Amino acid sequence: DAKTTQPTSMDCAEGRAANLPCNHSTISGNEYVYWYRQIHSQGPQYIIHGLKNNETNEMASLIITEDRKSSTLILPHATLRDTAVYYCIVRVGHDMRFGAGTRLTVKP
Amino acid sequence: DAGVTQSPTHLIKTRGQQVTLRCSPKSGHDTVSWYQQALGQGPQFIFQYYEEEERQRGNFPDRFSGHQFPNYSSELNVNALLLGDSALYLCASSLWGRDSGYTFGSGTRLTVV
Repeated sequence: DAKTTQPTSMDCAEGRAANLPCNHSTISGNEYVYWYRQIHSQGPQYIIHGLKNNETNEMASLIITEDRKSSTLILPHATLRDTAVYYCIVRVGHDMRFGAGTRLTVKP
Repeated sequence: DAGVTQSPTHLIKTRGQQVTLRCSPKSGHDTVSWYQQALGQGPQFIFQYYEEEERQRGNFPDRFSGHQFPNYSSELNVNALLLGDSALYLCASSLWGRDSGYTFGSGTRLTVV
């Protein structure tokens, strides 16, 4: 069901920016891109979402390419607590369908 | 402001039994979605309830059913439990028709033996 493609895993050094890519080449004009993360054994946590403009909040920044076929989630200064599985979702209709996500490991 | 609460947190059932899981949405939310998450996999969408009706359904058999109450809380029922139903069951709440994100509960860990 997922309309997105993400790398299976990534590593990042503590204190550096973590850039997580997502491909969504079949996205439609009115479909939003959402990012969630899931820390081990907890429920997913909403991070950010956007339609076509870049977005920023206290957790992260979302960069969406002009053709909207891909996006990047940026954690500006990754900490050990950012180690989690990150899910990129293209929302179709009223529900969210998760893929396998990217396992981000932040290393000291 | 309470977030999404799920009960129970853990549950052990025997094959063939029935189970009911409960969810109270975040204050102000009117839509509840249920997910099943097997170990090592992403959450799989089961169904979504709004105005006490099932609005969307994922690829799950009829053994999985649900209900939403007038206060927006929801139940997930699973009949004739199979070993493969062992998973973390997540509830998420949201506002119908809005593009804001979902708020998830911490889940119910169901083990079928």
